[in-house]
Amino acid sequence: SQKIEQNSEALNIQEGKTATLTCNYTNYSPAYLQWYRQDPGRGPVFLLLIRENEKEKRKERLKVTFDTTLKQSLFHITASQPADSATYLCAPGDYGQNFVFGPGTRLSVLP
Amino acid sequence: GAVVSQHPSWVICKSGTSVKIECRSLDFQATTMFWYRQFPKQSLMLMATSNEGSKATYEQGVEKDKFLINHASLTLSTLTVTSAHPEDSSFYICSARVLMGGSQETQYFGPGTRLLVL
Repeated sequence: SQKIEQNSEALNIQEGKTATLTCNYTNYSPAYLQWYRQDPGRGPVFLLLIRENEKEKRKERLKVTFDTTLKQSLFHITASQPADSATYLCAPGDYGQNFVFGPGTRLSVLP
Repeated sequence: GAVVSQHPSWVICKSGTSVKIECRSLDFQATTMFWYRQFPKQSLMLMATSNEGSKATYEQGVEKDKFLINHASLTLSTLTVTSAHPEDSSFYICSARVLMGGSQETQYFGPGTRLLVL
């Protein structure tokens, strides 16, 4: 069955540094992969979608890579700020199928 | 971007009562909505897929008679937790499917409804 892992349950970094979150999947060949942000007590908010034929995608301070050989996606936040503190979820998806969310990584950016 | 609302945001009820949660797409039509449940410090678990004008599709292990879903219009889906018990206490989140072109899709999520059954 499909399995999605995110590198760590929690990640603490210093303000201004780059945060790197990892999403690995097995028994799955998604056509695209999405990253969401979830704040406590709130629904997830869509951030970025990257397709299987795209190696990298950027949006402001966010960068996502997608390596279908390694079955891995990396999510980077550059010049991190305390306001970036949240749980980040990856969700691989395929055409016509519901996508499954990873367990999430809780990022804390320390001032 | 697309906005999805949920009502109520918080509900406390007695064991044995039924609770209805509404999910609305505010500025777009959603033929497909999803209902998720999330327990503390866990990821979202898909409960069911709600299709406008047809029966919902439930995930394995989710009781369709306990969690009634109605998607009567293109902007409204409801989830009714019937005869709620303390173990049904959770954070319930809905989302609406949005196609982004190239057959990719994303989901816009509601703010969630926290249910506490006493």
